[in-house]
Amino acid sequence: DAGVTQSPTHLIKTRGQQVTLRCSPKSGHDTVSWYQQALGQGPQFIFQYYEEEERQRGNFPDRFSGHQFPNYSSELNVNALLLGDSALYLCASSIPRAGGETQYFGPGTRLLVL
Amino acid sequence: SQQGEEDPQALSIQEGENATMNCSYKTSINNLQWYRQNSGRGLVHLILIRSNEREKHSGRLRVTLDTSKKSSSLLITASRAADTASYFCATKTSYDKVIFGPGTSLSVIP
Repeated sequence: DAGVTQSPTHLIKTRGQQVTLRCSPKSGHDTVSWYQQALGQGPQFIFQYYEEEERQRGNFPDRFSGHQFPNYSSELNVNALLLGDSALYLCASSIPRAGGETQYFGPGTRLLVL
Repeated sequence: SQQGEEDPQALSIQEGENATMNCSYKTSINNLQWYRQNSGRGLVHLILIRSNEREKHSGRLRVTLDTSKKSSSLLITASRAADTASYFCATKTSYDKVIFGPGTSLSVIP
């Protein structure tokens, strides 16, 4: 059973460009969450998708957008890249259930903006 | 502001010793989870404790939760070099967001 996969593993972009990151959830998981982790810090919640809709959103500008497909895979798009967008982007999948939610994380995509 | 804050920021111990990390949070939670991260890779879920639980064990891990003090602790017993990693607490509120703290960096010296 494959776990959460993300692509690409590494990416280098320049300021002002746009980037798309991809995530395939663990088999059977219908909820995908995206996080940004700057060096030396904890992951910051970007947004969560469930049933192809954005269900929750963290404190990130509209330059960050996403999409979930019918097969539950997801994309994270970032427009007009800034140097500060350089980070590890993590995708996590889960099956929401009452009283708890264990998230399974992918290995991440490391984005460097020059 | 972040929901969870781990303490200490960094911890260095000898192999075989116990490691204790603490987490404090600010608002009411549904559950609190601990994760491990090796060298900037993906996070691995360690243990989840619900707001109506006080203590939970999993192998060499022991987690406590004190909702009156809004704090949790993670104890790793008989540490091994392979336990070297960053450890994060994450809280889930009723709004379904999972908020991570800045983490504790643990070094276990062989």
